Amino acid sequence: AQSVTQLGSHVSVSEGALVLLRCNYSSSVPPYLFWYVQYPNQGLQLLLKYTTGATLVKGINGFEAEFKKSETSFHLTKPSAHMSDAAEYFCAVTIGSYQLIWGAGTKLIIKP
Amino acid sequence: NAGVTQTPKFRVLKTGQSMTLLCAQDMNHEYMYWYRQDPGMGLRLIHYSVGEGTTAKGEVPDGYNVSRLKKQNFLLGLESAAPSQTSVYFCASSPSGGNFFYEQYFGPGTRLTVT
Repeated sequence: AQSVTQLGSHVSVSEGALVLLRCNYSSSVPPYLFWYVQYPNQGLQLLLKYTTGATLVKGINGFEAEFKKSETSFHLTKPSAHMSDAAEYFCAVTIGSYQLIWGAGTKLIIKP
Repeated sequence: NAGVTQTPKFRVLKTGQSMTLLCAQDMNHEYMYWYRQDPGMGLRLIHYSVGEGTTAKGEVPDGYNVSRLKKQNFLLGLESAAPSQTSVYFCASSPSGGNFFYEQYFGPGTRLTVT
């Protein structure tokens, strides 16, 4: 069965530090991969996605992610954290033509 | 262009009461979804629809029903609410093809409390 694992329900970084949120997946077919962000009391918003082609994907707000097939990973990074990045981040994988499998989410905490 | 809207934003129900949550999208998307979000569990798919007049069960369909009579609307019904249905409910939609295929667009959510 396909699954998505996000390592760490909470990640805390200092403002200006590197952000690294981990996502690993299991899939029997080449997946499409997504990162979504959820700010407090809001719906989810697409940050970035990988479909085909270049494995390093750039998204909004300075985030990027790299698809590593050999490691079945799609980790999200940002070089320098900002207070406004505090939110919950979800990794998701396609499991067919119209469904996504979601990770449990990682709350990113930014320390001043 | 409002995107995906959900009505109501908040609701408190007593055990055994019924209610309907309305989701509307103005992007002409074929696919629509209902999720529930609970702390530490991510998003769980309740029901989904791949087109007007069609619905299918997701991961956690028990206690819920849905209808998609019009392409732009997707209704989620709770026939007899239970405290276990206390959650935040999200509706999403996605196109059936093109460059944005698989991307899901979310509404702002409905926070439901069942006492």
